[in-house]
Amino acid sequence: DIVMTQSPDSLAVSLGERATINCKSSQSLLYSSNNKNYLAWYQQRPGQPPRLLVYWASTRESGVPDRFSGSGSGTDFTLTISSLQAEDVAVYSCQQYYSMPFTFGPGTKVDIK
Amino acid sequence: QVQLHQWGAGLLRPSETLSLTCAVYGGPFSDFFWSWIRQAPGKGLEWIGEISHTGSTNYNPSLESRVTISVDTSKSQFSLKLSSVTAADTAVYYCANYLAGFDIWGQGTKVTVSS
Repeated sequence: DIVMTQSPDSLAVSLGERATINCKSSQSLLYSSNNKNYLAWYQQRPGQPPRLLVYWASTRESGVPDRFSGSGSGTDFTLTISSLQAEDVAVYSCQQYYSMPFTFGPGTKVDIK
Repeated sequence: QVQLHQWGAGLLRPSETLSLTCAVYGGPFSDFFWSWIRQAPGKGLEWIGEISHTGSTNYNPSLESRVTISVDTSKSQFSLKLSSVTAADTAVYYCANYLAGFDIWGQGTKVTVSS
């Protein structure tokens, strides 16, 4: 199985400031035949199902604010919230869909400082 | 706009079989793979398995011996059965649509296993 790790476990950021979440996979998620990274990011607010934010490592899902951006390739990926808003308080998780079983990172909790 | 609605028993005794169903509304059932995912209290998400409209399945090896996912294309529904449950199977269970990542999710069903 591909193991997904995230850092930090939690972070507190002032409103309007940048939040950066890192995700690392135990093997490359870059599929050479199409040059795509099989990596997604999710936001999960308490009591709600996850919400897909980013897929293919950097493609924003329709309706997701442009303050959310994904980057990285291979085994190292980053989700950036450029200007934290109150509604962004949530747990953020990465997920690989390169190979089965699909696996998720443990999550990073984002709070307001 | 595709929506998923799921239902099933929320309280089970150890050794019983968990049974959940997810209905797909507002979109094509045959174009996608349909998954079950769970989240134990305070834990991360765990993919259980998936099924296509033809009935082709893939399971997480960690649960494969106890899991059955089935499909009823006439009703645009798919179901999860997990046998011989223990307290470790206590979790919120979600159905979800997989395309590139899981973009549509059911509302979640909280399942508690307790004697």
